[in-house]
Parts: sequence; structure tokens; C-alpha cells
Amino acid sequence: DTAVSQTPKYLVTQMGNDKSIKCEQNLGHDTMYWYKQDSKKFLKIMFSYNNKELIINETVPNRFSPKSPDKAHLNLHINSLELGDSAVYFCASSPRGVGYQPQHFGDGTRLSIL
Amino acid sequence: RKEVEQDPGPFNVPEGATVAFNCTYSNSASQSFFWYRQDCRKEPKLLMSVYSSGNEDGRFTAQLNRASQYISLLIRDSKLSDSATYLCVVNRYNTDKLIFGTGTRLQVFP
Repeated sequence: DTAVSQTPKYLVTQMGNDKSIKCEQNLGHDTMYWYKQDSKKFLKIMFSYNNKELIINETVPNRFSPKSPDKAHLNLHINSLELGDSAVYFCASSPRGVGYQPQHFGDGTRLSIL
Repeated sequence: RKEVEQDPGPFNVPEGATVAFNCTYSNSASQSFFWYRQDCRKEPKLLMSVYSSGNEDGRFTAQLNRASQYISLLIRDSKLSDSATYLCVVNRYNTDKLIFGTGTRLQVFP
């Protein structure tokens, strides 16, 4: 059983298009995250939701809009795609609790902008 | 200055060797520390947490030096399957935010 699943795995599209990436976790976790890993392999957090509420919003262009319909799902919509958006996007989840709880990552969505 | 810094490597070592990676962090408010492992074109996976007193998990030993703000990972008796990128990760005090280093690439050869 896949714990954190993202779709699609690969996304190739043209500049200017709008696209969405979906994420679902079946671990019963309260918190979900979106990360971006660029060509230099630098992994950086973009957003985090706890039980459908936005708790982390890094300095990300407002073309990126996360949506959490319920605590098991966190989707990422990107408007007007740019070349610099090419990267691997990872979804992750963790339980909520006192102190740090390990994050479980999905296997990534590879976005390529032509 | 990056909040978490690592030597990108690559470290090329023969099977059976012992190899050590260091990582420095700049924010003294960092509370929790971890090593994650990322295989090529795969997602990061938690390797081990790093505790103040140091901790060991099989062939892997992690150390934390809060005064000097660095953490280390020692791998003994390296296996081919240890080849991966090792990410140093810190968690800021009282947040859910993880700060990742850019990773140290390890290549173990026969």
C-alpha cells in the first residue's frame, strides 16, 4: 500500500499553461507539505497544511496555490508556468505531536516546462 | 550563508571503508536534527535522528555538537547499497519546518 502518493509522476507542458499535482496520504497524518527540489538538488519547503489549515507559506510566487480539501489530500495548482518551475515536487506528510515527527515523502512529480 | 551546509562530495570509497560526513547549521534555535537518505531519482527517506548524546544504528553513528553547531554521520563497513545522497536536516524550534542541506553524495565501489 502506498503511504503518500502523488499524481502525475511526470508532467511535461509548455510555458504559460496551468497544471495541478495531486497528493494523497493514507497514514492518518494531520500535516502535509509541498517541497520543491531544483536541478541543483536543493530541497525547499513551499507550503504546509495541518488538518486543512495553512501553517507554512514560504516565499513562493502566488502562481502557486495549494488546496487541502481534507487532511488526507493536498493538491498544488500552478498558473502560468515558467521555465524556472521545472523541478521535482515532493509531497510529504507527518503526524502532529509534541516535538518533531518524521516526514514521509511521496515519490515526486517531475515537472518539465518546454 | 545557507542555514544548513554540507560538502557536496562526491565521496568515492571502496566497499568496507569507513566514511564520515559533516554538516554545519547557522540557526542556534534549531531544535532537532536528522540525516535523510535520497537515492537517485527517488524521494528522501529518514535514515536516523541525531541526539545530543550521539546515537548509533547498526553501521551508522550520528553525533551532534551544539556548541560548534555541527552534526556528523559515520558509516562503517560501507556497502554498495550505501551509495546515495545523504541530506543533513534541521528542524527549527517550535515549527514543523524542516531545513534541508543540499546533500553529500556517496559512491561506494567494489
